[in-house]
Amino acid sequence: AQSVTQLGSHVSVSEGALVLLRCNYSSSVPPYLFWYVQYPNQGLQLLLKYTSAATLVKGINGFEAEFKKSETSFHLTKPSAHMRDAAEYFCAVSVNTGTASKLTFGTGTRLQVTL
Amino acid sequence: SAVISQKPSRDICQRGTSLTIQCQVDSQVTMMFWYRQQPGQSLTLIATANQGSEATYESGFVIDKFPISRPNLTFSTLTVSNMSPEDSSIYLCSVVGLAGHTYEQYFGPGTRLTVT
Repeated sequence: AQSVTQLGSHVSVSEGALVLLRCNYSSSVPPYLFWYVQYPNQGLQLLLKYTSAATLVKGINGFEAEFKKSETSFHLTKPSAHMRDAAEYFCAVSVNTGTASKLTFGTGTRLQVTL
Repeated sequence: SAVISQKPSRDICQRGTSLTIQCQVDSQVTMMFWYRQQPGQSLTLIATANQGSEATYESGFVIDKFPISRPNLTFSTLTVSNMSPEDSSIYLCSVVGLAGHTYEQYFGPGTRLTVT
């Protein structure tokens, strides 16, 4: 079975500061990893995904994540936060082909961006 | 990509009643899922909605409590039966669709259910 742990249910950064949202996974087989964003009263939107190709994955809105097998981590980063980045972020893992399978989600991290 | 709509967007229901949530996709999709997001918690998969056959439920979820229909490749319903306050959650429909050369999971906006 696979699982995901997101450290920090709330993260607050200043506008322009680095964003770092942590995600660690547990999987008995090579995982596929995803980051989703959920804006208020909206559904989840895929930010980026790792599917065993390049370990550094670039996504939308300037976000990127690096798969580190030795650390079982897939942390999400953005060099400079914008006010519009304020949302809930979910890390998810799947052990089947790409996203065409069931996802196991972390508990989410709410990102607050302050002036 | 796939555009998903859900009805209702929110509802307040009395305990003991049932609510049916609809999920409509703008294109034919093979795989559809129903998730639950309880307050302050993560998303949990309820079941996979199978077209033309019974849904496949995850551990802890049963058909009597969450009956699911999938009459065609663009539509599904989830019913929350005999509701209790513990059923207060956001219920999300998800589909797998083709994005370029790969597949992605798309999520609907969710249905926010409050049971009093």
